[in-house]
Amino acid sequence: QKEVEQNSGPLSVPEGAIASLNCTYSDRGSQSFFWYRQYSGKSPELIMSIYSNGDKEDGRFTAQLNKASQYVSLLIRDSQPSDSATYLCAVGSGSARQLTFGSGTQLTVLP
Amino acid sequence: DTGVSQDPRHKITKRGQNVTFRCDPISEHNRLYWYRQTLGQGPEFLTYFQNEAQLEKSRLLSDRFSAERPKGSFSTLEIQRTEQGDSAMYLCASATPSGGYTDTQYFGPGTRLTVL
Repeated sequence: QKEVEQNSGPLSVPEGAIASLNCTYSDRGSQSFFWYRQYSGKSPELIMSIYSNGDKEDGRFTAQLNKASQYVSLLIRDSQPSDSATYLCAVGSGSARQLTFGSGTQLTVLP
Repeated sequence: DTGVSQDPRHKITKRGQNVTFRCDPISEHNRLYWYRQTLGQGPEFLTYFQNEAQLEKSRLLSDRFSAERPKGSFSTLEIQRTEQGDSAMYLCASATPSGGYTDTQYFGPGTRLTVL
């Protein structure tokens, strides 16, 4: 059973701070990693993908991947109240087309 | 470039009724996925199409569930004899092939099903 684990939160950070969201996965064959943002009552929205060890930056977002530790994280710099949402970590293995999702971390950015 | 669309957005039905949902993927995407999401959980994979071929189905997809993509464009998901446990958000996602990696999937707005 492939598992993706996330802290459910809620995680609260003040406006302007760095929010750090973490995710671990069980399948060592996993090759593709995605972060989605989901506002309450809405569908998941892709933030970014990462495939190689290290950091990948896109605007205020940085994804970090460590395959040896089976760990992926998302940093949100200069957090804004509009970043308040549930963040979903999704993992894909090379042999399977579908994504396996964690249960999400609820982030609240306090003004 | 329009995104993935789903219809209806909300469906309320009585236990035992059949329901059908439609998904229209992004036009150039030949891969289409169905997921189901319940409150407090991440989406769970149901089934996957490449063009008109249904290539994979989850064990979550019981005999009451059937999906089609007849011409490789839009897809339908039908649930027969609905049960209260079928209440969930049904999400459709589409993608183009991404080489050796899992596809980058873009989700539609979802269909929220409530079974009374």
